[in-house]
Amino acid sequence: DTEVTQTPKHLVMGMTNKKSLKCEQHMGHRAMYWYKQKAKKPPELMFVYSYEKLSINESVPSRFSPECPNSSLLNLHLHALQPEDSALYLCASSQDAGNLIETQYFGPGTRLLVL
Amino acid sequence: AQKVTQAQTEISVVEKEDVTLDCVYETRDTTYYLFWYKQPPSGELVFLIRRNSFDEQNEISGRYSWNFQKSTSSFNFTITASQVVDSAVYFCALSVSNTGKLIFGQGTTLQVKP
Repeated sequence: DTEVTQTPKHLVMGMTNKKSLKCEQHMGHRAMYWYKQKAKKPPELMFVYSYEKLSINESVPSRFSPECPNSSLLNLHLHALQPEDSALYLCASSQDAGNLIETQYFGPGTRLLVL
Repeated sequence: AQKVTQAQTEISVVEKEDVTLDCVYETRDTTYYLFWYKQPPSGELVFLIRRNSFDEQNEISGRYSWNFQKSTSSFNFTITASQVVDSAVYFCALSVSNTGKLIFGQGTTLQVKP
């Protein structure tokens, strides 16, 4: 079962709000990823967690704060976002990170609109 | 430099036509993996295939087939007898070193009309 779930599916927030995106996988994977995808563009990597530790931060602004409470869960805390942060946020997981062969399995995404 | 190019931005075909999506990659690594993902309007990226750099055998899965040619650095994807449900954005991606990073192409939007 290659399933990654994400909540909420849609989120509208103001620039002063604080919200969180959640991602969960039950495949026993030890690597989890956050991507941002703008319309008609490929996904852009934001963060990689490997064995619950942050291994890659692609110079993401601090208004995005990732958290990995355990190997199955990944959160993305949002604070003081800008309208240009409106996008589809995708979570993915793989058996391991730092390995060429690993296939990343994606969730359905959260469509975020910042007003 | 690592790069994936999908030159076809949009393709429109009529149902039952065959269609080929092109993917050209650049890498100096001798060991690498290539992937194809499908992204329907719902948004989820669906994994289709993974191929390593040492395996140039073509692969067929139902109506889908993939042609990997190292000599031209290409990994093309053909859908035979296309269906409306094949309408989606298709991404080709390259696995980069041992970082867990995927280099995505810009994607090809496929529209299959009934």
